[in-house]
Amino acid sequence: QQPVQSPQAVILREGEDAVINCSSSKALYSVHWYRQKHGEAPVFLMILLKGGEQKGHEKISASFNEKKQQSSLYLTASQLSYSGTYFCGTGSYGQNFVFGPGTRLSVLP
Amino acid sequence: GAGVSQSPSNKVTEKGKDVELRCDPISGHTALYWYRQSLGQGLEFLIYFQGNSAPDKSGLPSDRFSAERTGGSVSTLTIQRTQQEDSAVYLCASSTTGRSGNTIYFGEGSWLTVV
Repeated sequence: QQPVQSPQAVILREGEDAVINCSSSKALYSVHWYRQKHGEAPVFLMILLKGGEQKGHEKISASFNEKKQQSSLYLTASQLSYSGTYFCGTGSYGQNFVFGPGTRLSVLP
Repeated sequence: GAGVSQSPSNKVTEKGKDVELRCDPISGHTALYWYRQSLGQGLEFLIYFQGNSAPDKSGLPSDRFSAERTGGSVSTLTIQRTQQEDSAVYLCASSTTGRSGNTIYFGEGSWLTVV
């Protein structure tokens, strides 16, 4: 079952912060975050694992609440290059790895 | 190669024809995924291969879709009797192993247009 992402879209000015949320109805063992720019393939941002391990870029931060089956991606001091569609992907027991519908982020000068 | 390679990058085909899309994963990656992305939409899971295990085909939308992976490396996604609703970008991805803590690397995609 596909995770739910919110908001669907957000517009920021350079330097502003944003939070993108991802939630699932299933118990999760991992959450992945990817960013896709128009016409390009999705690019890895971060992986969060059950138990607290995280792997990702230094400038990206995220949280994973295993109990609530939720993850949030924090974008601080946004830059123009942050624009794109952000997808969360979830790994859960007995189910293939699925992605959410995406959150479209636009950063304006 | 250094990344996931897909071919063709663009394909225009007539309704009713069969198409084959190829994916060459990163060397050494045992896990391979196919996703479909319609214009402006999210990533729809199609099929997952992991090593020598039976593939997870639960995302294939109809029996017109099939995929195979030869020698644990190259994969081919075949769409038979294409329909206009099959028009989308077909993305292949690979990871070192399993589904949990490993980065998934995507190819550039094969853009399929059915006319």
